[in-house]
Amino acid sequence: EDQVTQSPEALRLQEGESSSLNCSYTVSGLRGLFWYRQDPGKGPEFLFTLYSAGEEKEKERLKATLTKKESFLHITAPKPEDSATYLCAVPISGGGADGLTFGKGTHLIIQP
Amino acid sequence: DAGVTQSPTHLIKTRGQQVTLRCSPKSGHDTVSWYQQALGQGPQFIFQYYEEEERQRGNFPDRFSGHQYPNYSSELNVNALLLGDSALYLCASSRDSNQPQHFGDGTRLSIL
Repeated sequence: EDQVTQSPEALRLQEGESSSLNCSYTVSGLRGLFWYRQDPGKGPEFLFTLYSAGEEKEKERLKATLTKKESFLHITAPKPEDSATYLCAVPISGGGADGLTFGKGTHLIIQP
Repeated sequence: DAGVTQSPTHLIKTRGQQVTLRCSPKSGHDTVSWYQQALGQGPQFIFQYYEEEERQRGNFPDRFSGHQYPNYSSELNVNALLLGDSALYLCASSRDSNQPQHFGDGTRLSIL
C-alpha cells in the first residue's frame, strides 16, 4: 500500500531561520512527487513536481529535492508570509490514472 | 484565466440527506479529481473522471458517486449523509496524467 509520511507535523521558526521539511514515501514505481502549499480555508496551491532521484526545483525561498526514498523542501531565510501547511503527494501506484496519495502535511509558522 | 471553481463554498446538511457539489475545471484541463479533507489531515482521493467516465477510485463507499459533463465540469454526489462526512471537499483538475493537479478552494460540508 502506498504511504506518504511527512515530518515534522508542526514547525515554528523565526524569520530568517532556514530549515527543511521531510516527505518519505513508499510506492511501487514512482511516477512523480508533488509539493503543495495550503493556506487556511483554501485549496492546495501547486509548488513543484519532481520525477527522478537527484532532481531539484527552486522557487523564491523554496527548494525541493528528491531521493529514492524521500523528498525535502528546504526553506531559506523564510518570511512570515511563508507560514502555511506544506503537503507532499505521490500518484497512487497501479494504474494509468493519477489520483494522489497525500501526507498529513507540515504546519509551518514563521514568527517575525 | 479562471482557475478551478467550486460551488457552493459552504453547505449544512443533516444525517440521511443527499448532497451535490459542483466543480468547473481550469481552462484547458480535461481531467477532474475529487478529494475529501478532514480537519488537520491531508486530502484523501475519492475518484477521478476523464472523458465522462470514472477512471480511478479511492477507498470510498458507493454512497459517493460522480459525473463529468462534456464541457469537463463535474459533480460529486453523496447519499445517506453521515456525521463523518463532514469535511472540506476539494476538486482538482489537470491536463494529462502525471501533470500537476490544480485545486479549487473547496466546499465546506457540515453534517448536523
